[in-house]
Amino acid sequence: EADIYQTPRYLVIGTGKKITLECSQTMGHDKMYWYQQDPGMELHLIHYSYGVNSTEKGDLSSESTVSRIRTEHFPLTLESARPSHTSQYLCASSHRGSSEKLFFGSGTQLSVL
Amino acid sequence: TQLLEQSPQFLSIQEGENLTVYCNSSSVFSSLQWYRQEPGEGPVLLVTVVTGGEVKKLKRLTFQFGDARKDSSLHITAAQPGDTGLYLCAGLRDSSYKLIFGSGTRLLVRP
Repeated sequence: EADIYQTPRYLVIGTGKKITLECSQTMGHDKMYWYQQDPGMELHLIHYSYGVNSTEKGDLSSESTVSRIRTEHFPLTLESARPSHTSQYLCASSHRGSSEKLFFGSGTQLSVL
Repeated sequence: TQLLEQSPQFLSIQEGENLTVYCNSSSVFSSLQWYRQEPGEGPVLLVTVVTGGEVKKLKRLTFQFGDARKDSSLHITAAQPGDTGLYLCAGLRDSSYKLIFGSGTRLLVRP
């Protein structure tokens, strides 16, 4: 069973607020990822990290930022949330050399009013 | 342009029926994965196929990787309501270390 946790599960906030979505894994995985997913749709990679102090933007442009100060922690921040940011955000991790077998968290469903 | 096309997009069947979903591309992948995602949860890895022509079985699920490593299929025998979910294929290209996800097939198995 995967040990990757996301908080909060659900978040409803007003426009302009700053938010941080938390993601932690206890598997010691080097690689971590953030995906954005609209209901029933494909996943779009927005950020990834191959290790501490390493972060890269994904294929889908996003106004969010990430940090990787500790191996187990990969938070995502939106400085000023907008309704267009409403979506599900999924965090994942994988072990180096594992052919990218991803373990996903349960996701954060974000609604910006 | 979607690099990995999945079909059908939506499938509603009766319990006990068989079904096949497809994942197609014009690109070659070094490996291909299948995930199942239930509502409100993250995707869970079902299988990884890495060799052209490879067939893997997981109980009632049979996965096949095309000979040219451009496509894959998932066949479910005697579907059960517990099989309901979003099935996602994801491919890894030789030139990249990032997975590319397909558009998904939403399966509903009615009791």
